[in-house]
Amino acid sequence: NAGVTQTPKFQVLKTGQSMTLQCAQDMNHNSMYWYRQDPGMGLRLIYYSASEGTTDKGEVPNGYNVSRLNKREFSLRLESAAPSQTSVYFCASRTGNTGELFFGEGSRLTVL
Amino acid sequence: RKEVEQDPGPFNVPEGATVAFNCTYSNSASQSFFWYRQDCRKEPKLLMSVYSSGNEDGRFTAQLNRASQYISLLIRDSKLSDSATYLCVVNLARAGSYQLTFGKGTKLSVIP
Repeated sequence: NAGVTQTPKFQVLKTGQSMTLQCAQDMNHNSMYWYRQDPGMGLRLIYYSASEGTTDKGEVPNGYNVSRLNKREFSLRLESAAPSQTSVYFCASRTGNTGELFFGEGSRLTVL
Repeated sequence: RKEVEQDPGPFNVPEGATVAFNCTYSNSASQSFFWYRQDCRKEPKLLMSVYSSGNEDGRFTAQLNRASQYISLLIRDSKLSDSATYLCVVNLARAGSYQLTFGKGTKLSVIP
């Protein structure tokens, strides 16, 4: 049972480089989410997609873009990475706007 | 007042102890509530949903007090394997809202 799969699991970037975090879920969920988790800050929502074809900003969207490629996949792009984007990124999904949120294993990003 | 606040912790308790965590939320129209567990360097996973009537799952009991706007988690007969960070999660009620808000978490260490 794959659930929510994120790639890559680890990445080191230099300031100004770009990269895309990939996320796919096989649970036929409608809504998908990207969070970042920093020490002392808890989980903060970057972007979410309520359904295929829609995306909305969360609490901390600056410096990120997202694409809901299809129902399964939701990618997060950093166009010009900054050290402040060093964090652990979690993708998550669930059915609709209620119920359990299922998380991927996380992607640890370091920006030098 | 922050949207979701938790006991700061950490809680260091001996095996077999009973420990309780509280969480307060600011939006009185919040609709659904959860406790998630996060092990070190792992993704959050649902521990239990919190229902208005209160609910129990083995050694774990969750309570909701809408009048005072807090939820609680009680762990009885603590095990070493209960050591983790416990996250309070609230589904805030906004029109079309798909956003869940996470507390910063309370770290529990169960000591032999």
